[in-house]
Amino acid sequence: DGGITQSPKYLFRKEGQNVTLSCEQNLNHDAMYWYRQDPGQGLRLIYYSQIVNDFQKGDIAEGYSVSREKKESFPLTVTSAQKNPTAFYLCASRQDRRNTEAFFGQGTRLTVV
Amino acid sequence: SQQGEEDPQALSIQEGENATMNCSYKTSINNLQWYRQNSGRGLVHLILIRSNEREKHSGRLRVTLDTSKKSSSLLITASRAADTASYFCATDQKTSGSRLTFGEGTQLTVNP
Repeated sequence: DGGITQSPKYLFRKEGQNVTLSCEQNLNHDAMYWYRQDPGQGLRLIYYSQIVNDFQKGDIAEGYSVSREKKESFPLTVTSAQKNPTAFYLCASRQDRRNTEAFFGQGTRLTVV
Repeated sequence: SQQGEEDPQALSIQEGENATMNCSYKTSINNLQWYRQNSGRGLVHLILIRSNEREKHSGRLRVTLDTSKKSSSLLITASRAADTASYFCATDQKTSGSRLTFGEGTQLTVNP
């Protein structure tokens, strides 16, 4: 089955720790995205990547880092510099051309304990 | 910054009624898209309208786009309890490559 997979579904982080959220797609999509969603809020763009080995900051990149070494993978690291990381994180992908829809994973809920 | 802003923030209707949600945006776009999110889940794409289109239909969904007012509306006709979800608009901006920017969403509740 083609799709986009995020893991884990739930993640707990101690203060001061870095954690990495996984996002994998087998849709052969060029573009991949990371969004953060706080309760009752919209999606805010953290980082996006249009091609392997290239990525751009979104609106709230501080305290986060990404890599894009393979087309199908776009992991997000939440660093200790992110002071309020508790949120729902969503990964998406789509073809990098005009007028295409995005496909989303099921999300990772990160909680700081 | 958020490109799209939806209103209302929340909408509660009875089954069978129509639901209308609005989205406003700030910069020139290639297209505008609507997505649905069930609680605690990922988003699902509903419909895409290109900047040169004014209206588009898909089943019980009707989307309009007014580029002069930088606004769009999503109409769900004959609503069902299963339509209860959050609805988001997203804009594909002309000057931002592949960047896809979402609004704050409208929480729709359809009461049986």
